[in-house]
Amino acid sequence: EPEVTQTPSHQVTQMGQEVILRCVPISNHLYFYWYRQILGQKVEFLVSFYNNEISEKSEIFDDQFSVERPDGSNFTLKIRSTKLEDSAMYFCASSEHPVTYGYTFGSGTRLTVV
Amino acid sequence: AQSVTQPDIHITVSEGASLELRCNYSYGATPYLFWYVQSPGQGLQLLLKYFSGDTLVQGIKGFEAEFKRSQSSFNLRKPSVHWSDAAEYFCAVGLDRDDKIIFGKGTRLHILP
Repeated sequence: EPEVTQTPSHQVTQMGQEVILRCVPISNHLYFYWYRQILGQKVEFLVSFYNNEISEKSEIFDDQFSVERPDGSNFTLKIRSTKLEDSAMYFCASSEHPVTYGYTFGSGTRLTVV
Repeated sequence: AQSVTQPDIHITVSEGASLELRCNYSYGATPYLFWYVQSPGQGLQLLLKYFSGDTLVQGIKGFEAEFKRSQSSFNLRKPSVHWSDAAEYFCAVGLDRDDKIIFGKGTRLHILP
């Protein structure tokens, strides 16, 4: 069964450093998402991406965050200057058509900011 | 704005017992409803979804959910749980055809042997 692949599975970074989280969505999917889950809390929407542009973003997704689809397969989330409160599990998801099929989530990247 | 509420943070049931996890949503029109499961250290897996039609939907792993418009609810059920069902369960709601989905805070299910 096709999977959404996220790398790395765990990343530790120093406060103020830039990090790039990588995702390879399922190949025929057109809709892409990033969510995050702070330890013990709910899964929070960050951003949705369709047709090579951001379709919606949450209040969490401020100027420190950006997303890119640099080629036909990767979908990245960049945090320019990490803060301690950015420590969380970050999930990438993709969908062929969200309402019809729901999302397929990756296994997540655990980001630890020290 | 739409929202989804899972009133139970933790639920404990004995193996073989029946299960019902509660979910309520807030929205005027008919939403698109989902249940996801997250096993420890794993991503979220779609259990089932409701868009329209039959209000009782069947999902994977023996789960089902019933949409009740009058109660704004979409409760998840399983007639007999297995130890492997221990996980966190998230109800989610989406609106327009291409919109994001919003997750509830989750219910952690514990299974007693």
